[in-house]
Amino acid sequence: DAGITQSPRHKVTETGTPVTLRCHQTENHRYMYWYRQDPGHGLRLIHYSYGVKDTDKGEVSDGYSVSRSKTEDFLLTLESATSSQTSVYFCAISDDRGAYEQYFGPGTRLTVT
Amino acid sequence: GESVGLHLPTLSVQEGDNSIINCAYSNSASDYFIWYKQESGKGPQFIIDIRSNMDKRQGQRVTVLLNKTVKHLSLQIAATQPGDSAVYFCAESSVGDYKLSFGAGTTVTVRA
Repeated sequence: DAGITQSPRHKVTETGTPVTLRCHQTENHRYMYWYRQDPGHGLRLIHYSYGVKDTDKGEVSDGYSVSRSKTEDFLLTLESATSSQTSVYFCAISDDRGAYEQYFGPGTRLTVT
Repeated sequence: GESVGLHLPTLSVQEGDNSIINCAYSNSASDYFIWYKQESGKGPQFIIDIRSNMDKRQGQRVTVLLNKTVKHLSLQIAATQPGDSAVYFCAESSVGDYKLSFGAGTTVTVRA
């Protein structure tokens, strides 16, 4: 997890509230990713970024938005949290060599009640 | 849609034995196949990758085999140790595509 931090590490929130998760990297890597991990589903890509202000949707992007105003920070926002968004969220980074060697953060456990 | 998946959700292995973790994929256009290890409470960690023009690649105590004919990928761990207990994911990607598609994972438990 060196070089990648996520905050908060744990959060409990109520349905309907907005939530923002932060990913911070010190590796100066170009690509950043947000995944969610749920039992039986492995890791599913929510959004990713290929540069400052350049983002794109992944396979499960509904209900989520992202922003990247600096190379080192990638924010994930749940606009109006729902119970189905209870999950563990991982941030990952990769450099220009490709997506295959991604480095993951420690994860954020989010519970929506 | 096309996806990467694993044959078995769990694998129990005696310490010192060799482990074989299998993965079937369906996207014949993928260029890279990758194995990740996830220990409890941590993020996934890159183990080894193999390009589609190879059929075998070895690392430290691990070997990845790729059979493109049957679209099958496997990870072999030699002399399995307690520290190998984790969830193992296969993933696939293509050149120019900066995304990964992950399978559901196999939980490996090492018995003492």
